Amino acid sequence: EAGVAQSPRYKIIEKRQSVAFWCNPISGHATLYWYQQILGQGPKLLIQFQNNGVVDDSQLPKDRFSAERLKGVDSTLKIQPAKLEDSAVYLCASRRLTRNTGELFFGEGSRLTVL
Amino acid sequence: KQEVTQIPAALSVPEGENLVLNCSFTDSAIYNLQWFRQDPGKGLTSLLLIQSSQREQTSGRLNASLDKSSGRSTLYIAASQPGDSATYLCAVRSGTASKLTFGTGTRLQVTL
Repeated sequence: EAGVAQSPRYKIIEKRQSVAFWCNPISGHATLYWYQQILGQGPKLLIQFQNNGVVDDSQLPKDRFSAERLKGVDSTLKIQPAKLEDSAVYLCASRRLTRNTGELFFGEGSRLTVL
Repeated sequence: KQEVTQIPAALSVPEGENLVLNCSFTDSAIYNLQWFRQDPGKGLTSLLLIQSSQREQTSGRLNASLDKSSGRSTLYIAASQPGDSATYLCAVRSGTASKLTFGTGTRLQVTL
């Protein structure tokens, strides 16, 4: 089966500009996650969706970050306006089961550089 | 709040050696623990998933153990190869929100 798809792979923008990342999870996976991974650190959860509803967005900087999963399939993460500290890899992951025990699968990530 | 620690932060071993990577977590009330591999500039590849009721999982040269009561997991890699060079991350699923908390990883280099 196809894996988690993300685009673009790389993006360079100047501070205060906006950027959007797209994710298409594995077919049939109800749960979708966006993680931020800063160089040298482990991934940090930004937002978790179950179908098209938000389960957890407690660590999402809502003044500048937004995410949606309107039809319960693919998702978009937007940053507006970007700051220097937003430079990171944005990872999308999905999980089949809605129970707590399912395995998580990641995409290749979208690397953002803010100048 | 769940905290996950991985020791060592970096490790270099000669090819052929067996090695152990360590992961510890502060809240033992977990659903499962997952080990991932991350190559430079790439996403995370799932290696092994251990449910809270399990003690270990094996896949090829990899063996992961879980001691929930002491808050520890180990990833054992047998007969290491240069292709095993990567960062290895452990992640624990826990809490009412079923959140996945990551460690900072162990960067492994296997030399010829």
